[in-house]
Amino acid sequence: DQQVKQNSPSLSVQEGRISILNCDYTNSMFDYFLWYKKYPAEGPTFLISISSIKDKNEDGRFTVFLNKSAKHLSLHIVPSQPGDSAVYFCAASGNTGNQFYFGTGTSLTVIP
Amino acid sequence: DTEVTQTPKHLVMGMTNKKSLKCEQHMGHRAMYWYKQKAKKPPELMFVYSYEKLSINESVPSRFSPECPNSSLLNLHLHALQPEDSALYLCASSPGDSETQYFGPGTRLLVL
Repeated sequence: DQQVKQNSPSLSVQEGRISILNCDYTNSMFDYFLWYKKYPAEGPTFLISISSIKDKNEDGRFTVFLNKSAKHLSLHIVPSQPGDSAVYFCAASGNTGNQFYFGTGTSLTVIP
Repeated sequence: DTEVTQTPKHLVMGMTNKKSLKCEQHMGHRAMYWYKQKAKKPPELMFVYSYEKLSINESVPSRFSPECPNSSLLNLHLHALQPEDSALYLCASSPGDSETQYFGPGTRLLVL
């Protein structure tokens, strides 16, 4: 049972525009969320996180929004750059220990 | 030192071979993880070590055997693998339980 879902397997955006990647979760006990970026044949790179006590966290071009009532989070990248082209995974964890649950990923292509 | 290193980068092995994957971090993290990732899929958690003790074993076949010699090192011993075990094997570490995980570059394993 997939507790974290990314329903868009791919997304194409023009350079300079905003990229919005979405993630939904089903477990209301999740209280910590992360976004990772992954290039082919490399390990995921941590991008940004948010805990459930906040609804927004910003780091440079990356902003994560959390809507707890909708069990939805999104990653905004503004402005998008060609180097942002990668697969983006969201992950969630709760007070159940070390386990993070990963979404299935969204492949972002930023077109120059 | 702010990274997780993994060796080897690539590994090809036969089904009767015995090999080991190695992971190292010097960030003082107390939790370390092994994940398996197939193409276009999210990372799947295999094992978690917390304070050098195995805390999670996600029903992984016994042909995979983890070992944590000390707080900086994590090994994954492989024996009698199957071709379907071919995947990218990722190691990660986190400062403590349920905290952000930092991934290594992975070992790309091919079982013939």
